[in-house]
Amino acid sequence: EAQVTQNPRYLITVTGKKLTVTCSQNMNHEYMSWYRQDPGLGLRQIYYSMNVEVTDKGDVPEGYKVSRKEKRNFPLILESPSPNQTSLYFCASSPRGGAPDTQYFGPGTRLTVL
Amino acid sequence: AQSVSQHNHHVILSEAASLELGCNYSYGGTVNLFWYVQYPGQHLQLLLKYFSGDPLVKGIKGFEAEFIKSKFSFNLRKPSVQWSDTAEYFCAVNGATSGTYKYIFGTGTRLKVLA
Repeated sequence: EAQVTQNPRYLITVTGKKLTVTCSQNMNHEYMSWYRQDPGLGLRQIYYSMNVEVTDKGDVPEGYKVSRKEKRNFPLILESPSPNQTSLYFCASSPRGGAPDTQYFGPGTRLTVL
Repeated sequence: AQSVSQHNHHVILSEAASLELGCNYSYGGTVNLFWYVQYPGQHLQLLLKYFSGDPLVKGIKGFEAEFIKSKFSFNLRKPSVQWSDTAEYFCAVNGATSGTYKYIFGTGTRLKVLA
């Protein structure tokens, strides 16, 4: 089944403790992206990747890192999480960037930083 | 600055009522426009998209949207809503401008349809 998977689905952590949220897609898509969803703010793009080893900042990249070493994986790294990073995070992929391609979204990761 | 504005944050309708959700965008260059929907407990999924051609596009579940270039708008419509249309709706835009391929989403509209 074509899908985007994220792990973990729920995470409660404390300020400053490094964490990684994994994202994987099995559709051989070139474009991958991370978003955060906050009430009243909609979805905001954190980082995106056009292809392996090509990443770029979205609108809210501060406090986050990403890497794209393989086409299928695009982990989101929070080196020193803070409470303002408490949010619902979505990973998405699409065949190409800058194109009218459908983005396929993962199920979301609900992160709470205490 | 690139932005997407959705004017209605919360909409409550009775079944069979008509729906129109507004979306205006500001994004330089050629754009692709999308409406995504998030049903309760489900993944975000595409409703419809526009990139060229006929400015009136039809999507799944009886939804349609009209691209009006002069107004920078991409409003979503449905003639008769159903209880199952209760969801959050997001307008989005992307494009290749200055070598970037960012997506910009609106803040979303929560639709509640009363049976």
